[in-house]
Formats: sequence, structure tokens, C-alpha cells
Amino acid sequence: DVKVTQSSRYLVKRTGEKVFLECVQDMDHENMFWYRQDPGLGLRLIYFSYDVKMKEKGDIPEGYSVSREKKERFSLILESASTNQTSMYLCASSLPGLDTYEQYFGPGTRLTVT
Amino acid sequence: KNQVEQSPQSLIILEGKNCTLQCNYTVSPFSNLRWYKQDTGRGPVSLTIMTFSENTKSNGRYTATLDADTKQSSLHITASQLSDSASYICVVTLNSGGSNYKLTFGKGTLLTVNP
Repeated sequence: DVKVTQSSRYLVKRTGEKVFLECVQDMDHENMFWYRQDPGLGLRLIYFSYDVKMKEKGDIPEGYSVSREKKERFSLILESASTNQTSMYLCASSLPGLDTYEQYFGPGTRLTVT
Repeated sequence: KNQVEQSPQSLIILEGKNCTLQCNYTVSPFSNLRWYKQDTGRGPVSLTIMTFSENTKSNGRYTATLDADTKQSSLHITASQLSDSASYICVVTLNSGGSNYKLTFGKGTLLTVNP
């Protein structure tokens, strides 16, 4: 059974802290994605990775960085958390070829920055 | 600008009733269209995926239709159940050339099914 897991369901951090969000998939997928989801805005792509150590910016990469050292793991890093980064963060993975293959999402991490 | 618009924003129906959710898009060139169901506090789960050559696809009580000429899709839910209460998200894949694809997400329709 397909599985994408995220390290935390809920996280509370202070402004200025460095925050790590971890995502692990067990499907041997090449592609992995990080999205944020805000009320009234829908899902927005932050970064994606199509292979180990490879990454591309999405629509809203500012204030974020990512790391993919192993195929199954994709980390999202907030270098200095700010209150406007309070959001639901969703990780997803897929086989290569978004024209054909499904994206599988994790359960999400609700991050609150105070 | 490539956009995906969903309507209505929210909908309340009684258990057992049918309903239809709408998705209009301006994404071009189009590759495929997907409908996702997202329960509150969870990640989205795929319901259907359709290419431009398909105009209907079913998944149990969920039936999606696609009119690529008018750039419209609908998701019909038959005999609704309380567990259908969720947000339904329309996602259109843009073929930006070669093997490059980009997903454009709608903002979702929040469906509430009441007993």
C-alpha cells in the first residue's frame, strides 16, 4: 500500500527559529513535492525534486529551502520562521511523468509560528 | 494566465441526495484533469484522472465528466453519504513542453452532507 508520511501532524515554533519538516515515501518514487495550503488559496507548490540532490523552485519558494539526500526522504527547511509561514504543509510523491502518474499526498503538517 | 476555477465554494446537502461540483479551467496546453477528495486535516486523495480524449470516468459513486472544448469538468456524487463531507479539489496538468508538466490547483469546493 502506498504511503507518504510526514514527521509531525502539528508543530508550534517561534519567529526566527529554524524549522525542519520531514517527508518519507516508501514507493520508490522519483518525484517528491512540498506544498502549502491556506484557506482561500488552495495548494501552492513550494519546491519539488525529481531525483536525489535535484530540486526545482515552485511557485512560492521564498523563505524556504529543501534537501533530498536519499530517494525516499525530502525535507523542507524554514531558515528563519515567520508568522506568515503559518500554514498546512503537504508533501507528495509520484513516479516520473505528471502527465500519467498519480501524486500521493501525506497527511500534512499544521505549522503555527508565533 | 492559467487558472482553475471551482464552483460553488461550498455546498450543503442532505444525506442520500445527489450533487454536482463544477470546474472551469483556462490551462493550455492541457494534459489531464484530476479530482481529489480532501478530508479535514488530511492530505488529498485521488478520485479520478482524465486525459483530453476521455469525457467521463467513474469511481464508485463519483463520476467525473470532461468537456475539453469548453474547458469544463464536473464531479457528480450519487446517493451522498456523511463520509462524503470533504473538500473536493480540481487539478489540471499543464504540458509546458517536452516532459515538463505543471499542476494547477483549484481552491476546492467544501461539501457538507447532513443527516
